[in-house]
Amino acid sequence: GENVEQHPSTLSVQEGDSAVIKCTYSDSASNYFPWYKQELGKRPQLIIDIRSNVGEKKDQRIAVTLNKTAKHFSLHITETQPEDSAVYFCAASKSQGGKSTFGDGTTLTVKP
Amino acid sequence: GAVVSQHPSRVICKSGTSVKIECRSLDFQATTMFWYRQFPKQSLMLMATSNEGSKATYEQGVEKDKFLINHASLTLSTLTVTSAHPEDSSFYICSARVDRAYGYTFGSGTRLTVV
Repeated sequence: GENVEQHPSTLSVQEGDSAVIKCTYSDSASNYFPWYKQELGKRPQLIIDIRSNVGEKKDQRIAVTLNKTAKHFSLHITETQPEDSAVYFCAASKSQGGKSTFGDGTTLTVKP
Repeated sequence: GAVVSQHPSRVICKSGTSVKIECRSLDFQATTMFWYRQFPKQSLMLMATSNEGSKATYEQGVEKDKFLINHASLTLSTLTVTSAHPEDSSFYICSARVDRAYGYTFGSGTRLTVV
């Protein structure tokens, strides 16, 4: 089955700096890669996603890049703010199956 | 936007009892619902996939007789933890596919504590 690895497990940055979280996946059939933000005790919230026919997608301060050949994708947050502090999860899924395999999560701390 | 309502948000039960968790899709039809379990500071682990009108598909290592899943309608899926034990204490969360374009939305989660 699919295996998703996420790094780093923890990340601490100063407010205003950029943060990058990386994930690799094993199943070349995966074609949908969402990123979720989860605050303590709350549900994961989709913040951005990318499909395999696209190499990069940007939404304001958040961007995701995908390298299908290398089977890795990354989340980039620019101009970080304290409210960006949360756990971020990447995931991978196939179009037919639908179920997502999640990475282990990255705890991001943005220091004011 | 698409909303999945999950209840209860928090439940404490005694060992040996059963607990039912409900997930309802409020403004869309959820033909597929995914049930996850999340331990503190850990990732979401898929337990099972429920499809409306058919038997759920369980992930390896998940006891189907202990975690009963029912998806009797297009808007309701339930997870029943039977004969709960303290090790079943966890955060249970459902997720539904919103549309064919792969969009998913999560319920608010249920914090189960078995004492």
